[in-house]
Amino acid sequence: AQSVTQLGSHVSVSEGALVLLRCNYSSSVPPYLFWYVQYPNQGLQLLLKYTTGATLVKGINGFEAEFKKSETSFHLTKPSAHMSDAAEYFCAVILMDTGRRALTFGSGTRLQVQP
Amino acid sequence: DGGITQSPKYLFRKEGQNVTLSCEQNLNHDAMYWYRQDPGQGLRLIYYSQIVNDFQKGDIAEGYSVSREKKESFPLTVTSAQKNPTAFYLCASSQSGFDGQPQHFGDGTRLSIL
Repeated sequence: AQSVTQLGSHVSVSEGALVLLRCNYSSSVPPYLFWYVQYPNQGLQLLLKYTTGATLVKGINGFEAEFKKSETSFHLTKPSAHMSDAAEYFCAVILMDTGRRALTFGSGTRLQVQP
Repeated sequence: DGGITQSPKYLFRKEGQNVTLSCEQNLNHDAMYWYRQDPGQGLRLIYYSQIVNDFQKGDIAEGYSVSREKKESFPLTVTSAQKNPTAFYLCASSQSGFDGQPQHFGDGTRLSIL
């Protein structure tokens, strides 16, 4: 069973428009949640994370995400897209109902920003 | 600057050959990880190590081997048993002891078959 699902392998927005990248998880226990960004031929850079506490998390580059337990979601948003936001975005979790403390990744969403 | 260094950036393997990918970190992190990235599949865990001289298999360990003799080093060997090794390989590290610690990633090694 897929633990992390990212809806939409490709998302295209206009510069200045809202960015919404979707992430849902499957777990009986709320996991720790992360969003990473990857630029071509590079490693991954952490955008933000949720472990406990406030469910609205702010990250770098103007991104934020909200943990919604009832919807098992952790969608990533940015109010106004910039050309430099074009990249691949990965949602990842650490599943707390397993003994493994390693990330499980979604399949990624490639964000295009049109001028 | 602290970080993770992966080498080489590009690597080519001949049929039947073993190749080793290097990963070194100077972040003083206890835990280290190897992921394989294929287009459209996200990252999949190959092996991970929470402490020196100990490591565990991830989801796709077959055809790979690792060692963790030093805290700062976690080399990955792609053996001839791995029939489809062409991929982008990423190494990561994190502090252990607190599950919410983010993983820091190297810039990757792209492996291709000759």
